[in-house]
Amino acid sequence: SQQGEEDPQALSIQEGENATMNCSYKTSINNLQWYRQNSGRGLVHLILIRSNEREKHSGRLRVTLDTSKKSSSLLITASRAADTASYFCATARGGADGLTFGKGTHLIIQP
Amino acid sequence: DSGVTQTPKHLITATGQRVTLRCSPRSGDLSVYWYQQSLDQGLQFLIQYYNGEERAKGNILERFSAQQFPDLHSELNLSSLELGDSALYFCASSVALGSGANVLTFGAGSRLTVL
Repeated sequence: SQQGEEDPQALSIQEGENATMNCSYKTSINNLQWYRQNSGRGLVHLILIRSNEREKHSGRLRVTLDTSKKSSSLLITASRAADTASYFCATARGGADGLTFGKGTHLIIQP
Repeated sequence: DSGVTQTPKHLITATGQRVTLRCSPRSGDLSVYWYQQSLDQGLQFLIQYYNGEERAKGNILERFSAQQFPDLHSELNLSSLELGDSALYFCASSVALGSGANVLTFGAGSRLTVL
């Protein structure tokens, strides 16, 4: 079963608007990561937030983490057409090292 | 180019056949991960190797096996293929060994079509 679940499954916004995606997970984590996947391509790491952090920024990306609610959000500000992609949150599976990914949010930026 | 090389990029084969997917990790990375991505199941973790040894196992079928060689490249063997095995297979690599601390670098994937 998936550890992380993204919401919404799909999101379509106008270029220039902000996009927010959410991720919920079930068990305790050491950190949570967000990845992006352009259609049919490999995933690319975007940002990692540790369990003792509440917010992290990287360029136009802002990630929050609420460990009490077991949830995270990814905000992309001033969206661009090139941001069109699927976005996945990933968490570590217990003591193992393999990351468990959700099914992703498909983001479409309308020009 | 992520530095993780996967071959072949595309593969079409018939049910019952066996295929081998190959992955060369990014230079310096000791861990290799295999993932299967399909429309209905999403991205499923299959197996992880670290410096030649199996470290973690996910939803890998018994018909599938993998290994990591001394030069750190890895192969994923899929046998007795079924239609449902059609998917994108990704290899990823990371530097360190540590629960949840690894940032994964993904290859471009191998698209397997079973007819």
